[in-house]
Amino acid sequence: DAGVIQSPRHEVTEMGQEVTLRCKPISGHNSLFWYRQTMMRGLELLIYFNNNVPIDDSGMPEDRFSAKMPNASFSTLKIQPSEPRDSAVYFCASTWGLGLEAFFGQGTRLTVV
Amino acid sequence: QKEVEQNSGPLSVPEGAIASLNCTYSDRGSQSFFWYRQYSGKSPELIMSIYSNGDKEDGRFTAQLNKASQYVSLLIRDSQPSDSATYLCAMNIGPNSGGSNYKLTFGKGTLLTVNP
Repeated sequence: DAGVIQSPRHEVTEMGQEVTLRCKPISGHNSLFWYRQTMMRGLELLIYFNNNVPIDDSGMPEDRFSAKMPNASFSTLKIQPSEPRDSAVYFCASTWGLGLEAFFGQGTRLTVV
Repeated sequence: QKEVEQNSGPLSVPEGAIASLNCTYSDRGSQSFFWYRQYSGKSPELIMSIYSNGDKEDGRFTAQLNKASQYVSLLIRDSQPSDSATYLCAMNIGPNSGGSNYKLTFGKGTLLTVNP
């Protein structure tokens, strides 16, 4: 299996621009998590889905952030408009059952200048 | 109130020694516990999972869970320089914590350095 696939691996954008991060979970997994990692705050859960339905988005920092999962094999995290404080590494992880082991993608390093 | 707490370290041990990493948690409803290893610039990699009280061994790694005391630990025997990484403790908060049944929540990690 190819594992969790994220794109792009690196993104540099100007403040105010829209940014879309993409994730393809492991085939057969039914739960997907989006995390943000910074030195200061560590690994923060932004939102998670189960069977394509958002279960908990309490970690989404602001209305500028939105996430969708239109089908079992694809999810997006969108930031509009982006700000320099959004600079971080964004990880996607998937698992085949809630409460079970989650596997991470390689992450997207976002830099907003 | 922090849900998952780890000693931030850094922890430094000589090669061949036992490295001991600890994690405490606040929600007694937590059911599933995990240890991840993260090398600098890489993504977290699952190394151990534990679901019931006691010890679970996998090669040089042993996870220990004590739900009554609300802590989980990871022991690395015969530490190698290649074990140098940040170790993240994670857990599902569980179904009885209102609203969100299976948040997979991480501690901030402990940086381990194994010196040759």
